[in-house]
Amino acid sequence: ETGVTQTPRHLVMGMTNKKSLKCEQHLGHNAMYWYKQSAKKPLELMFVYNFKEQTENNSVPSRFSPECPNSSHLFLHLHTLQPEDSALYLCASSQVGGQGRGSQHFGDGTRLSIL
Amino acid sequence: GESVGLHLPTLSVQEGDNSIINCAYSNSASDYFIWYKQESGKGPQFIIDIRSNMDKRQGQRVTVLLNKTVKHLSLQIAATQPGDSAVYFCAENRAGTALIFGKGTTLSVSS
Repeated sequence: ETGVTQTPRHLVMGMTNKKSLKCEQHLGHNAMYWYKQSAKKPLELMFVYNFKEQTENNSVPSRFSPECPNSSHLFLHLHTLQPEDSALYLCASSQVGGQGRGSQHFGDGTRLSIL
Repeated sequence: GESVGLHLPTLSVQEGDNSIINCAYSNSASDYFIWYKQESGKGPQFIIDIRSNMDKRQGQRVTVLLNKTVKHLSLQIAATQPGDSAVYFCAENRAGTALIFGKGTTLSVSS
């Protein structure tokens, strides 16, 4: 099993649908992240969870709702999305504290298309 | 605003050449830097990192150079191979803050 696994890999949904993205990390890390990657733009940090607690929400619209039930799993619940939300959504994990800021390990993302 | 950026959006090299990808950062308080590689259809993959108490770090075929005076970071890839074709991102981190990513440089290697 690879370090960070995201499902589904591709998702097409209408603007009125509700769907969820799933991320699982097998690295024993204590922090997990959601990023949005759009063409020609840098990665945009959406949410950060440290020890299951949300520590950062970068002004993300409420139609994106994260959930972190434990330090290995992270979800992104989607509802009433807009066409501009079409992008690659990346999950990452890292180990924070102790020896310091470890690098973040990424999954391969979910390619989301909003019709 | 403060950001991490790259000098060139694209770089084309011949197989076997050495590649140099550059990145500029704006905050002198940044003390940790990472290079990522992202292949088509995949997530970013860690290549190498460097802390601000160092000015050079070497890995397998890759070297990262940090010049704090001019706030410049570079990634050198020796004997570039077709498999090195990807988008390369630099990222910076300041204590207590999240990683900030640059836009990326697309490296194309022709054989």
